[in-house]
Amino acid sequence: AQSVTQLDSQVPVFEEAPVELRCNYSSSVSVYLFWYVQYPNQGLQLLLKYLSGSTLVKGINGFEAEFNKSQTSFHLRKPSVHISDTAEYFCAVSDRGSGNTGKLIFGQGTTLQVKP
Amino acid sequence: SQTIHQWPATLVQPVGSPLSLECTVEGTSNPNLYWYRQAAGRGLQLLFYSVGIGQISSEVPQNLSASRPQDRQFILSSKKLLLSDSGFYLCAWRAGLAGGRETQYFGPGTRLLVL
Repeated sequence: AQSVTQLDSQVPVFEEAPVELRCNYSSSVSVYLFWYVQYPNQGLQLLLKYLSGSTLVKGINGFEAEFNKSQTSFHLRKPSVHISDTAEYFCAVSDRGSGNTGKLIFGQGTTLQVKP
Repeated sequence: SQTIHQWPATLVQPVGSPLSLECTVEGTSNPNLYWYRQAAGRGLQLLFYSVGIGQISSEVPQNLSASRPQDRQFILSSKKLLLSDSGFYLCAWRAGLAGGRETQYFGPGTRLLVL
């Protein structure tokens, strides 16, 4: 079974400051890793994903994440945030084995609040 | 390109009434389809998934059911709504065949309030 822990439920930060949203996972099998963003009253939008290869993954809107297998982490970072980055962010994993169902296991979400 | 639609966008229903939420995907064939529910303070929970027409897998026992009458149509239903069915319902798809099937893409969601 897999599980995902997002260590911070809320992260307040000032505009133009750097931010890191933390995500740890637990799994007995190899996984794919994802970050999604949800703006108020909208669906989830894919920010970035780690499938294989380089452990540093770049996504949309200037976000990046680093896969650390030994620490089973996939933290999301942005060097300078904007007011428009205010949203809820979800980390998720899925089983990468053949025949997998594609089921996503989500963390509880982190609300990023960017202040002027 | 592929797009996913959900309707209605918002729904207010009395307890005990029936429910039907619809999800359709355009621009792809034989997708895998998913229903998730996002309840306040409880994150996202997978309810059902489907790998083909008429094939439904349920993840949790509950007051809801799902059907897939056509390749790109996924319907979430209930005969009698409960207060606990309130939440934000999200439909998602991923490619059913090789190539890009690792990633799920989400629709705009339906907000359901049961009173």
